[in-house]
Amino acid sequence: NAGVTQTPKFQVLKTGQSMTLQCAQDMNHEYMSWYRQDPGMGLRLIHYSVGAGITDQGEVPNGYNVSRSTTEDFPLRLLSAAPSQTSVYFCASSPEGHFYEQYFGPGTRLTVT
Amino acid sequence: RKEVEQDPGPFNVPEGATVAFNCTYSNSASQSFFWYRQDCRKEPKLLMSVYSSGNEDGRFTAQLNRASQYISLLIRDSKLSDSATYLCVVQFRKLSFGAGTTVTVRA
Repeated sequence: NAGVTQTPKFQVLKTGQSMTLQCAQDMNHEYMSWYRQDPGMGLRLIHYSVGAGITDQGEVPNGYNVSRSTTEDFPLRLLSAAPSQTSVYFCASSPEGHFYEQYFGPGTRLTVT
Repeated sequence: RKEVEQDPGPFNVPEGATVAFNCTYSNSASQSFFWYRQDCRKEPKLLMSVYSSGNEDGRFTAQLNRASQYISLLIRDSKLSDSATYLCVVQFRKLSFGAGTTVTVRA
């Protein structure tokens, strides 16, 4: 099993550009989520999904969109990048009934200039 | 007030030493508690759950104090490989992550 994979590992964007961060898992987990991690702050939940076709907002959803067309994939779209979105982004998945047991991907380091 | 607060450290300890640190949480209705470990520039990984009665996993001991709303992690006989940032995680409907406590074990 590859676990949770994320692409790209690194990305530099200019203000106003859009892009999609990819996330995939091969563990057949129903629950998937996106977090951002900034220095001195805990991981903050952006969006999450409890299954294919179902998504919901976390605590910092503004500026991001998600979709979940399959169990495996959960892409995160930045609509119009801003410097405040410079961060490390982690995708995570967890098995049904154990959403606290989060399996994280290796992260995407995003810089917006 | 942050939902989960941790002393950022760093805690610099020699190999073989014992190190302990706490995490406080603000929501008294929090239901479940966990410690995650994050190595430098890597993803977090679940280290252990924290039960009301306290629990051990090898050299790691976790305790929960609901009355004072904190959890603790103790590492005995520290190894160089224990150097990492330890994230406190509290669950009430969703997971709330602390910013982490950094531990550096030196030879």
